[in-house]
Amino acid sequence: NAGVMQNPRHLVRRRGQEARLRCSPMKGHSHVYWYRQLPEEGLKFMVYLQKENIIDESGMPKERFSAEFPKEGPSILRIQQVVRGDSAAYFCASSPSRQTTNEKLFFGSGTQLSVL
Amino acid sequence: KQEVTQIPAALSVPEGENLVLNCSFTDSAIYNLQWFRQDPGKGLTSLLLIQSSQREQTSGRLNASLDKSSGRSTLYIAASQPGDSATYLCAVPSGAGSYQLTFGKGTKLSVIP
Repeated sequence: NAGVMQNPRHLVRRRGQEARLRCSPMKGHSHVYWYRQLPEEGLKFMVYLQKENIIDESGMPKERFSAEFPKEGPSILRIQQVVRGDSAAYFCASSPSRQTTNEKLFFGSGTQLSVL
Repeated sequence: KQEVTQIPAALSVPEGENLVLNCSFTDSAIYNLQWFRQDPGKGLTSLLLIQSSQREQTSGRLNASLDKSSGRSTLYIAASQPGDSATYLCAVPSGAGSYQLTFGKGTKLSVIP
């Protein structure tokens, strides 16, 4: 049973380009969470999605950032017109249901985004 | 607003030593607390999850305790090994009933052979 898969592992973009980060949850998991880790900072919640629905995007910047989790395929975190401040490690996590008392959260290996 | 603090930020110990990592949080209305391990260039691995009704959890050489009333948790690592070298993160729900996790900045542990 493969874990949470994220790709690419490393992504380099120039300012103004678009970045697309992909996350395939663990088999049987329909809940996906995206977190961002800025240099020297703790992980920060960005968005929570279920299949075809955005449940909570309160942690995501209102401009340039969007996320989706289609019926088929991976969850996508999309950053338009990237700026240097977007450089960070982006982590995806999944769970079989909404994160509750007894469930550990399973994280992917992350995508390191570097904006030149 | 939930805030998580981890002390120390970095720790270097000789192999074989027992050690304690500390985590404190400001909002005690949590339903669980998780300790994660993060290796360079890799994702997070959940080590232990303590439910709010529990006082501690053990897994091998790891023991985590939780004191909700004082807003503190400790991760005890016995007989440390070089393979334990990593950053250890503490995370709690951002609020009562919240699925969002608030993470500390972590403690970077180096175990010297």
